[in-house]
Amino acid sequence: GGIITQTPKFLIGQEGQKLTLKCQQNFNHDTMYWYRQDSGKGLRLIYYSITENDLQKGDLSEGYDASREKKSSFSLTVTSAQKNEMAVFLCASSIQENTGQLYFGEGSKLTVL
Amino acid sequence: GDSVTQKEGLVTLTEGLPVMLNCTYQTIYSNAFLFWYVHYLNESPRLLLKSSTDNKRTEHQGFHATLHKSSSSFHLQKSSAQLSDSALYYCALSANTGYQNFYFGKGTSLTVIP
Repeated sequence: GGIITQTPKFLIGQEGQKLTLKCQQNFNHDTMYWYRQDSGKGLRLIYYSITENDLQKGDLSEGYDASREKKSSFSLTVTSAQKNEMAVFLCASSIQENTGQLYFGEGSKLTVL
Repeated sequence: GDSVTQKEGLVTLTEGLPVMLNCTYQTIYSNAFLFWYVHYLNESPRLLLKSSTDNKRTEHQGFHATLHKSSSSFHLQKSSAQLSDSALYYCALSANTGYQNFYFGKGTSLTVIP
């Protein structure tokens, strides 16, 4: 089996700061995703990538940048952290077929002071 | 566009009672896949069930669901709730549009009490 590793697990930032989350997968999956998890709002897609150097915006992409320089890694940058923001960011990957399921990392919890 | 609706945000049940979490969906694609993911505290969300076959019951770890395309539903059920079932449950839809994308419901937080 494979694993998805997200770093850091906890991230504390200041208002206006640029913050980066990293995700590595060893499944050799084509597609990788970044979701934001908020209570009562479900999982909302920020960015996804179907192959190396590809980037596609999700519904929540404003305020974020992403980077897929290698097949195995996918980074997400919060371009300007919002004061009092708290959220969990989940990285996931899947094969590029309709039958594929998502495999998730454990999440990165962001707190902005 | 495609969407998933989970009616209940919070469900509290007494141990031993049956579980039913609702999921309905909307899609224009006939080849849609429906999934239930479970997210236990301090763990990664993981797949619980998936189906693309109309009217066929799918089972795993004591849970079951049947995809009904006529009513666009994929409700999650279990005959007897256990304390360890307390978790966040997400229903998700995947419709292949040349790449794979997933649409999630808002999630149902299930708490099972003694």
